[in-house]
Amino acid sequence: QVQLQESGPRLVKPAGTLSLTCTVSGASIDGDNWWNWVRQPPGKGLEWIGETSHSGSTNYNPSLRSRVTISVDKSKNQFSLRLRSVSAADTAVYYCARGVDYLDYWGQGTLVTVSS
Amino acid sequence: DIQMTQSPSSLSASVGDRVTLTCRASQGISDYLAWYQQTPGTVPKLLIYAASTLMSKVPSRFSGSGSGTDFTLTISNLQPEDVATYYCQEYHSAPLNFGGGTKVEIK
Repeated sequence: QVQLQESGPRLVKPAGTLSLTCTVSGASIDGDNWWNWVRQPPGKGLEWIGETSHSGSTNYNPSLRSRVTISVDKSKNQFSLRLRSVSAADTAVYYCARGVDYLDYWGQGTLVTVSS
Repeated sequence: DIQMTQSPSSLSASVGDRVTLTCRASQGISDYLAWYQQTPGTVPKLLIYAASTLMSKVPSRFSGSGSGTDFTLTISNLQPEDVATYYCQEYHSAPLNFGGGTKVEIK
């Protein structure tokens, strides 16, 4: 059974960097799938952040591209998100998810709050 | 960027009703469309991909249709457990884009 689990700091200071890791179990990250990050501000809709392949190819949402880096660590079966220069507007539940096109497996999500 | 517009933003219907949710793309996306269900406090769940293909274990009262720019998600025989927000998502090309969601409630 494929499972994804987000981990990382739940509180980030304004202007700081948000860093999250997604650990994948039940599937190898070294395959045909792409590995995604999606976020959801409290009470709002879903926003796709970006994705990485097992080889490190990436695609990003243009609205976040200047601040985002997604990377993959095949040895640990993990992929990661870094979002720089955060503000209160980046407060959201962050999900990692598997999918080439549609997203079939999701992590439970982690609420990251940007606050001093 | 492809914009996805869902309507209505919310609706209230009775148990047993047939409910239709609409999703419109700002340009043609063939059938590269998925639907997700997010019940309160839970993770989005993939219901349908390729506009009309049901994921395994999704009840048959859910159905999807459409191609090009106009798509629908229909719930026939609405059940209390269907209370949720439903999102469409296009995957014609990166970036992936979600619609704003339709919240379904029971009268």
